[in-house]
Amino acid sequence: DVKVTQSSRYLVKRTGEKVFLECVQDMDHENMFWYRQDPGLGLRLIYFSYDVKMKEKGDIPEGYSVSREKKERFSLILESASTNQTSMYLCASSLGQRARVFFGSGTQLSVL
Amino acid sequence: DAKTTQPPSMDCAEGRAANLPCNHSTISGNEYVYWYRQIHSQGPQYIIHGLKNNETNEMASLIITEDRKSSTLILPHATLRDTAVYYCIVMEYGNKLVFGAGTILRVKS
Repeated sequence: DVKVTQSSRYLVKRTGEKVFLECVQDMDHENMFWYRQDPGLGLRLIYFSYDVKMKEKGDIPEGYSVSREKKERFSLILESASTNQTSMYLCASSLGQRARVFFGSGTQLSVL
Repeated sequence: DAKTTQPPSMDCAEGRAANLPCNHSTISGNEYVYWYRQIHSQGPQYIIHGLKNNETNEMASLIITEDRKSSTLILPHATLRDTAVYYCIVMEYGNKLVFGAGTILRVKS
């Protein structure tokens, strides 16, 4: 089965720090996604990418950037972490259009 | 915004069929219906998808009405491990999943 691996399960950072969340998939998928999940707000799309070096904004891109230098790796960057970015972050990948989307286990980020 | 409407919660007895409804009255002709579920503290998991025909796999069955305005996910013999949030999603352009609030299914012994 496809494996989507997120580098950390739990992360604690300070306000103002630059934070990198890493995601790697092992099935040569073109599409990769970053979501955040908050109680009462559900899963919301931050950024996505359909190919290496491509990126597109999702519904809530403010305060985030992404990097996709290699096909298997999609990084989410918090340039200057703030407390309102405390959340569960989920990475996902898929092959082509209308394909199954596979999710990682998530990173619970706390910004203090 | 999500293009589907689901009941906020449902209960089901263990061993019985769980029937989860979804309304997607504005679905367009080339949009698929997808179902995912999320068990507590895990990432969402794909269950099944369909366009207009009924579909079945090892996890569930998907029944789509003829007018495609609604669908039902059927878990034929629910177990306690099926307790989860179930999301019905109409797939938009580009394989993006737009999640609504979903249905909390509680399977009880």
